[in-house]
Amino acid sequence: DAKTTQPNSMESNEEEPVHLPCNHSTISGTDYIHWYRQLPSQGPEYVIHGLTSNVNNRMASLAIAEDRKSSTLILHRATLRDAAVYYCILRDGTLAGGTSYGKLTFGQGTILTVHP
Amino acid sequence: DAGVIQSPRHEVTEMGQEVTLRCKPISGHNSLFWYRQTMMRGLELLIYFNNNVPIDDSGMPEDRFSAKMPNASFSTLKIQPSEPRDSAVYFCASSLGVHQPQHFGDGTRLSIL
Repeated sequence: DAKTTQPNSMESNEEEPVHLPCNHSTISGTDYIHWYRQLPSQGPEYVIHGLTSNVNNRMASLAIAEDRKSSTLILHRATLRDAAVYYCILRDGTLAGGTSYGKLTFGQGTILTVHP
Repeated sequence: DAGVIQSPRHEVTEMGQEVTLRCKPISGHNSLFWYRQTMMRGLELLIYFNNNVPIDDSGMPEDRFSAKMPNASFSTLKIQPSEPRDSAVYFCASSLGVHQPQHFGDGTRLSIL
């Protein structure tokens, strides 16, 4: 499985933008970039995903480098509720049978601390 | 809308006992996943069902673990006999299709004494 590299931790102040980086130099052409986050004592929560183009939704934006070897999750205005572990995951989008179903493989993620 | 529902939320039992964890996926979702999370190993996929059929159980640690999905609205993960090293938080997730975003339950925190 293609791997991702994220900083262990980051800090931000409330109402400021946060840029969470992710390196994935071995990404393949069929890999989608997915982001999930896990708030304390909860299950992971889907945030956003993309393939090549930048993506926006109500939670965040995803900026993907032109060579796709890195990406950045952008929280436009951090709130205290955004304090969580953020996971960047490469997911194979190939529609193949058996175990080639694009399983999610979670790494250690980035612990985001938001200060009031 | 109801999300993925897991029960119990907490379970404490003695070594050697049988443990059954339950999951109700979101209605209409045809993919179901069981994960385990520990401090040492992080979040690991145990088993994946598609349309109630187990597709990938390569993450199931050993024969003491078994999972079933008798219908589209219910799944169980059973550990028999349980051991202290099975202590972890177990999550169930479901999705509309295997490539769609996964929706996770709040987990079952299992402690084996």
